[in-house]
Amino acid sequence: DIQMTQSPASLSASLGETVTIECLASEDIYDILAWYQQKPGKSPQLLIYDASSLHTGVPSRFSGSGSGTQYSLKINSLQPEDFASYYCQNGLSAPLTFGSGTKLEIK
Amino acid sequence: EVQLVETGGGLVQPGRSLKLSCVASGFTFSSYWMYWIRQAPGKGLEWVSSINTDGGSTYYPDSVKGRFTISRDNAENTVYLQMNSLRSEDTATYYCAKDRGGRVSYFDYWGQGVMVTVSS
Repeated sequence: DIQMTQSPASLSASLGETVTIECLASEDIYDILAWYQQKPGKSPQLLIYDASSLHTGVPSRFSGSGSGTQYSLKINSLQPEDFASYYCQNGLSAPLTFGSGTKLEIK
Repeated sequence: EVQLVETGGGLVQPGRSLKLSCVASGFTFSSYWMYWIRQAPGKGLEWVSSINTDGGSTYYPDSVKGRFTISRDNAENTVYLQMNSLRSEDTATYYCAKDRGGRVSYFDYWGQGVMVTVSS
């Protein structure tokens, strides 16, 4: 099974700041990686797929990068609606594993 | 507009069964793989099952294999999750999700979720 190690577990930042969340796969996943945002009490929403492609309607301040086993999600110029939890996901092979999540909070 | 509406959750005793349903609209249901994903209270996301477009292929993690069964009715635009021999660790919000399309597995639309509580 492919393990997804996500860091940090929590992150505190101010409005307007730029933050980066990391995801490390236990083996090469060939860019088959997604990022999701989840707000409290809501369903997750797809942000990025294929490591760097923006899902429909996602603001351009979100970007993804990486290759092989190392991936990252960058959020530029934090907005109030960005404070949420974020998860990476291996889309390459079953079991379809998620990272443990990063909770982004307002400083 | 894509919509996924789950029903069937509730409180159930350990060892008993429960069946979840997810009615889809706003897309050609029969053309997409579908999934169930769960989230225990205060915890992260766990993939629970996958089903291909015609229902002929299904996949599960070891944690539910042999106890859960995913199925679909393309005429009714509905995907199901039959959960047997339920355990306390199955307590979670269960989400139905649609595949983005293509040869890999991404979840591009999710339902609102339904809570399943396994307790005596």
